[in-house]
Amino acid sequence: RKEVEQDPGPFNVPEGATVAFNCTYSNSASQSFFWYRQDCRKEPKLLMSVYSSGNEDGRFTAQLNRASQYISLLIRDSKLSDSATYLCVVNNDMRFGAGTRLTVKP
Amino acid sequence: NAGVTQTPKFQVLKTGQSMTLQCAQDMNHNSMYWYRQDPGMGLRLIYYSASEGTTDKGEVPNGYNVSRLNKREFSLRLESAAPSQTSVYFCASSEWGLANYGYTFGSGTRLTVV
Repeated sequence: RKEVEQDPGPFNVPEGATVAFNCTYSNSASQSFFWYRQDCRKEPKLLMSVYSSGNEDGRFTAQLNRASQYISLLIRDSKLSDSATYLCVVNNDMRFGAGTRLTVKP
Repeated sequence: NAGVTQTPKFQVLKTGQSMTLQCAQDMNHNSMYWYRQDPGMGLRLIYYSASEGTTDKGEVPNGYNVSRLNKREFSLRLESAAPSQTSVYFCASSEWGLANYGYTFGSGTRLTVV
């Protein structure tokens, strides 16, 4: 089992849809988690941290499920500009998932 | 604000040539990292430096060396380039190693080894 796993997608959704991605991790001692966004041929950029209590930033919600060892990212009311690859990272191991590609279509 | 600056942005090497990728950050971060990104493989950690004066191997260190020149600069050296090292290389920094604030990445170096 890979240490950090993501469904590679692609997820193709219409504008306005709600879409969710999961990221599973194998190290139960992991403490800090993040979601990054990466546009084509660009560097990853921090989207949001994932706290134990969950956190929300506008249309984006991140949650942590320690019992099942996964984090999730929910995007509501998808915009065309949300099209990108979303990477999760488990900071204790400094390991990134391979990313989930999202395409939002008109 | 420059953030993390990587040079060069593009490079083509012949097999066996050597080169150094440069990285500098102006955020007074303590920790710096080198990742490579290949299609379908995601970002893989090559080396990291938790603080000035220390370096450690990551997941894929073979064929690379690093130098933490000072707090700002962290370079990656390929002594004898191989086609398997064709990749996009990203440097990143964070306030501290097990970061609570995430990484800031440079814009990447696209390296092709022929």
